[in-house]
Amino acid sequence: DAGVTQSPTHLIKTRGQHVTLRCSPISGHKSVSWYQQVLGQGPQFIFQYYEKEERGRGNFPDRFSARQFPNYSSELNVNALLLGDSALYLCASRLERPGQGTGGYTFGSGTRLTVV
Amino acid sequence: AQSVTQLDSHVSVSEGTPVLLRCNYSSSYSPSLFWYVQHPNKGLQLLLKYTSAATLVKGINGFEAEFKKSETSFHLTKPSAHMSDAAEYFCVVTAFSFSGTYKYIFGTGTRLKVLA
Repeated sequence: DAGVTQSPTHLIKTRGQHVTLRCSPISGHKSVSWYQQVLGQGPQFIFQYYEKEERGRGNFPDRFSARQFPNYSSELNVNALLLGDSALYLCASRLERPGQGTGGYTFGSGTRLTVV
Repeated sequence: AQSVTQLDSHVSVSEGTPVLLRCNYSSSYSPSLFWYVQHPNKGLQLLLKYTSAATLVKGINGFEAEFKKSETSFHLTKPSAHMSDAAEYFCVVTAFSFSGTYKYIFGTGTRLKVLA
């Protein structure tokens, strides 16, 4: 089975531009989350989506948005890029079933975004 | 509120000697706890997880962790370090909300260096 796949793997953008990052979850996983990992720090929660609806949002500005599609894949969009948005963006998926509350996330390899 | 504290930002051990990476947690309810490893320029790989079953949890690659509620700790150990263990290690606690958000709270990471 394929794991969580993210594209692209690397990306260089200029300040002020817009970027779209893509994620395909493990087959059957309906919950997708996004994390930002700045160099030298632990990942920080950005969004969680389940069944195409936003379940939660971390402490990130409105320049960050996301959506989940009917096939459960997801996009993370960042507008008006700043130098500080340079980071590894990780997508994770999780199987959710009633009564199954403790299954963990499986992470993709991430997209390395560099803003210059 | 949920939080984790990784007590050491860097740990150096000689190959073949024991590894101890320390993690303390804070949780307002019975927690789920994880350890993840991240090799350079890679995504996150699950080492092990605690989900209120046995307090001594065995993971991959010879790692194990012990959940101690009285000490609010979840330290990661390995009897004998291997050169391939050199990586960044993250302790994680889960956080739930009534809105259905399920997210990970990451520690700041411990960089393990293995000396030949």
